[in-house]
Amino acid sequence: SYVVTQPPSVSVAPGLTARITCGGDNIGRIGVHWYQQKPGQAPVLVVYGDSARPSGIPERFSGSKSGNTATLTITSVDAGDEADYYCHMWDGMSEHHVLGGGTKLTVL
Amino acid sequence: EVQLVESGGGLVQSGGSLRLSCEASGFRFSSFPMDWVRQAPGKGLEWISYVNSDSKTIYYADSVKGRFTISRDNAKNSLYLQMNSLRAEDSAVYYCARDGLVAGNFDFWGQGTLVTVSS
Repeated sequence: SYVVTQPPSVSVAPGLTARITCGGDNIGRIGVHWYQQKPGQAPVLVVYGDSARPSGIPERFSGSKSGNTATLTITSVDAGDEADYYCHMWDGMSEHHVLGGGTKLTVL
Repeated sequence: EVQLVESGGGLVQSGGSLRLSCEASGFRFSSFPMDWVRQAPGKGLEWISYVNSDSKTIYYADSVKGRFTISRDNAKNSLYLQMNSLRAEDSAVYYCARDGLVAGNFDFWGQGTLVTVSS
């Protein structure tokens, strides 16, 4: 089955930029989506189709891809951005949705 | 406003069954594929099943295939998950999610319902 890899944790000081990566074979060929999940809450879509933002998501959240790695970038990080972040894509070969293991973002 | 409300979770013994429901409102339910995603305590998200808008295409994760059945009733704006032969490792919060029409993302999620399987 398709496997995607996220770092378990990322730490960043307030006001700086956080980058969360998601790696997988052929990821450059498929759309990648990102979710934010705060403790005790349901996930929220923050980026879809690699780099598009849903209505209501701040411009501080952006997505990109290079080679076999997708990246979620959060600029001017503040305490409210502390959460788990998950990447997600559709694997057409297995006909399965695939979710990364999640990355815990800590604001120092 | 899009709303998804899950129900039906609870405590069940290993080997037992449970049926989850997800009631949708605020959008044309019959036009959208839907999914179930679960999250074990302290763990990450795991996709478990997909159904397209007219129920003709259904997919399952390997971990639940043969034990779980997804279905929908477009007249009732409802999504279901029949869970049989439950195991301790099925204990999780179960979310229903709307599958975005264009990009295949999960653009709206319910608040989840907790399923606990005792061994």
